[in-house]
This record gives sequence, structure tokens and C-alpha cells, in this order.
Amino acid sequence: TQLLEQSPQFLSIQEGENLTVYCNSSSVFSSLQWYRQEPGEGPVLLVTVVTGGEVKKLKRLTFQFGDARKDSSLHITAAQTGDTGLYLCAGAGGNTGKLIFGQGTTLQVKP
Amino acid sequence: NAGVTQTPKFQVLKTGQSMTLQCAQDMNHEYMSWYRQDPGMGLRLIHYSVGAGITDQGEVPNGYNVSRSTTEDFPLRLLSAAPSQTSVYFCASRSSGNTIYFGEGSWLTVV
Repeated sequence: TQLLEQSPQFLSIQEGENLTVYCNSSSVFSSLQWYRQEPGEGPVLLVTVVTGGEVKKLKRLTFQFGDARKDSSLHITAAQTGDTGLYLCAGAGGNTGKLIFGQGTTLQVKP
Repeated sequence: NAGVTQTPKFQVLKTGQSMTLQCAQDMNHEYMSWYRQDPGMGLRLIHYSVGAGITDQGEVPNGYNVSRSTTEDFPLRLLSAAPSQTSVYFCASRSSGNTIYFGEGSWLTVV
């Protein structure tokens, strides 16, 4: 069974601080996605990384896929209150392309 | 654009009752899936379908049935509701580019 471990599960920081969320597995994934979810809504895709070692930037968010395609990280620079939400990583693997989700990281950015 | 539409948004059931959560997408996606989301456990895959007439089990299929008679619709049936099925349910469809689109969620309480 493929598992994705996210850490930390909860993060509370002040506006302007930097943070990193990790997503780790012992399994290899063909691609890995990061989602953000607001209360009362479904997750919304932020980025997909496919190639080992790949780095993608989305404004203040930097996503990295591990060289071995088993782990990923999300780094937020100068966090803003609007970044508050639940961040989920999800890995796709196997012939069916099923997505396996991590437990999520709840981020609270205080003004 | 409607995207993925789920109904109902909220439902309270008594133990032993049955019900169907409806899901429809208007993007002509072949792949559809149902997830449940519980605190600290991320999103867990219940059932998925790679096309009309084809369904398969995910991580937590017990107590749920699905069918896929058309490309657009993918209903989830709870056969005999149990308190352990109290959760938030998300239907999702996936594009050929592997982008997942989630519905807004259905909050189910079983008493």
C-alpha cells in the first residue's frame, strides 16, 4: 500500500514568516500534486510535479519533487493571511493512476 | 461552467438508512472518483471509475456501492448507514492532463 506522510500536520505562524511543508513516502510516484483547501470547499490543484528534482514556482510558493520521486516539499516565502488553509499532497502511481493523499497540513497565518 | 456538482450538500441519516450521493460532471472526463475526508486522515479513496460501465474499489470501499452508467454521472450509495460513515464526501473527476476537479463536498452525519 502506498502511503504519503505529511509534516507538520499543523502550523501556526506570523505573517511574513517562511515555512516548509513536507510530503514523504517509501514509494515512487509517477507524479505528485499539491492542493489547497478552504473550509467548506473542495481541494483546488496548485501544481503537479512529474520529473525527479523538478522545481516549480507559483508566486511565493516553491514546490520541489525529490530526485527519487518519493518525496516533495512546499515552501512558502513571506506568508500572508490569505495563505491560511489546508494543504494536501497527493501522489499518482501504478497503472490506474489513482491518487493517494497525505493527511494534510493545516496552515494558520496570523496577522 | 458547472464542473463537478454534488448533491446534497448536507444530510443527516439514521443508522441503518440508505441513501445516494449524486455526482455529475460536464467536462466529459472518463475518470471519476469518490473520497471521504476525516480529520487528520486526509482524503481516502472509496471507489473510482475509469469510464462508463467500469468501477473499482479504492482504499475504503466497505459499506458503499457505485455505478457508472453514463460518463457524466457517478452516484455513491450507502447501503445501511453507520455512525462510522459520518464524514465529508467529495466527488472528483480527472482530465486527460491529470488535473483533478473536486465537487464542493457533501457533509453526512449518521446518528
